[in-house]
Amino acid sequence: EIVLTQSPATLSVSPGERATLSCRASETLINYLAWYQKKPGQAPRLLIYDVSIRATGIPARFSGSGSGTDFTLTISSLEPEDFAVYYCVQRGNWPPGYFFGQGTKLEIK
Amino acid sequence: EVSLVESGGGLAQPGGSLRLSCTVSGLIFNDHNMNWVRQAPGKGLEWLSYITPSGSTIFYADSVKGRFTISRDSLKNTLYLQMNRLRAEDTAIYYCASESRLVGRNSHPFFCMDVWGKGTPVTVSS
Repeated sequence: EIVLTQSPATLSVSPGERATLSCRASETLINYLAWYQKKPGQAPRLLIYDVSIRATGIPARFSGSGSGTDFTLTISSLEPEDFAVYYCVQRGNWPPGYFFGQGTKLEIK
Repeated sequence: EVSLVESGGGLAQPGGSLRLSCTVSGLIFNDHNMNWVRQAPGKGLEWLSYITPSGSTIFYADSVKGRFTISRDSLKNTLYLQMNRLRAEDTAIYYCASESRLVGRNSHPFFCMDVWGKGTPVTVSS
């Protein structure tokens, strides 16, 4: 079973600044990963899939990168609505379950 | 507009049962694999179960295997999660999510949960 470890657990950043979130896999990923944003009381929102492709309607300030075991979500200039918890996730090829990281809470500094 | 609406959550006693429903509209239900995911209080997201359109392929996380049963009704555009032998640790918000075949890098298919419901709360307590 693949384990995804996100760091840091909490990231404090000021609006307008850049945020960099990390996701490390316990083994090289064959099926590449996605990133979700989760706010209290709301459904998870797909941000990035296949490492670097923005989902429909996601602003360009969100970008994903990485390969192998190390992946990054970058938010170039934080807007007030970006403060949330972010999860990286990988879908198994077979069986097709999903493995989530433990999340990074992005909070206002 | 695509909409997934969960229902059926509530309070259950340890050892009891609940049946969750997820009503889907705005997409072709039979074109999508469906999933259940939960979030316990103060915890992260946890995938629980997966079902293909025909219902012929089903998988569960170890934490719910043997206790929970996923199913779907294509005539009603509804996904279900039958939860038996509930435990306190099953207390969570339960989300349904549809999986789509997106176009990934190099035009390869990429499957992921792209549309989610807002969740239904389940509390297991005596």
